[in-house]
Amino acid sequence: GAVVSQHPSWVICKSGTSVKIECRSLDFQATTMFWYRQFPKQSLMLMATSNEGSKATYEQGVEKDKFLINHASLTLSTLTVTSAHPEDSSFYICSATTDGYGYTFGSGTRLTVV
Amino acid sequence: KQEVTQIPAALSVPEGENLVLNCSFTDSAIYNLQWFRQDPGKGLTSLLLIQSSQREQTSGRLNASLDKSSGRSTLYIAASQPGDSATYLCAVQGNNDMRFGAGTRLTVKP
Repeated sequence: GAVVSQHPSWVICKSGTSVKIECRSLDFQATTMFWYRQFPKQSLMLMATSNEGSKATYEQGVEKDKFLINHASLTLSTLTVTSAHPEDSSFYICSATTDGYGYTFGSGTRLTVV
Repeated sequence: KQEVTQIPAALSVPEGENLVLNCSFTDSAIYNLQWFRQDPGKGLTSLLLIQSSQREQTSGRLNASLDKSSGRSTLYIAASQPGDSATYLCAVQGNNDMRFGAGTRLTVKP
């Protein structure tokens, strides 16, 4: 079946540094990828939708200059958290689809900013 | 490794019916379980979140139960409507990851 690999599974970084999270579709072409964020004891919230080769569409309240999303190929999307701060500590997860109906999720990345 | 299974994979019902979607998971050491809805081409919409210490949550016509010891959750939808047609996903959160079921594609016919 379809597999999405997300790396790293967890990361700790210093405040002010940038962190990149990768999301790869291993056996299918992902025309659309989604990025989500989840704060402790809260539900998953959509951050942005990215289509291969075009700019990501960000949800209201998500800073596009802080959360850089690149979907340069049909198998890879990256989320870069720039100038990370402790309040960016969260669980980030991606999902990918090729047809808009079947979705496959990565296993997530736990980001801790100290 | 946590495995999440959803049954059935697809379901078609006439409008007005009550229905139950099932989710099972292999590792009972979870933090929470969530039910999501996903419309074609759209991101996830969270429906209900059940913490590991809870047994059920209700929101409008939706009721979700959790039996952590047996590794099961159900999503009950009362008086279904055509607008309920979507894919419903169950997700189980562990220490550092979240595992999703493959979803149940629901069609409610007028």
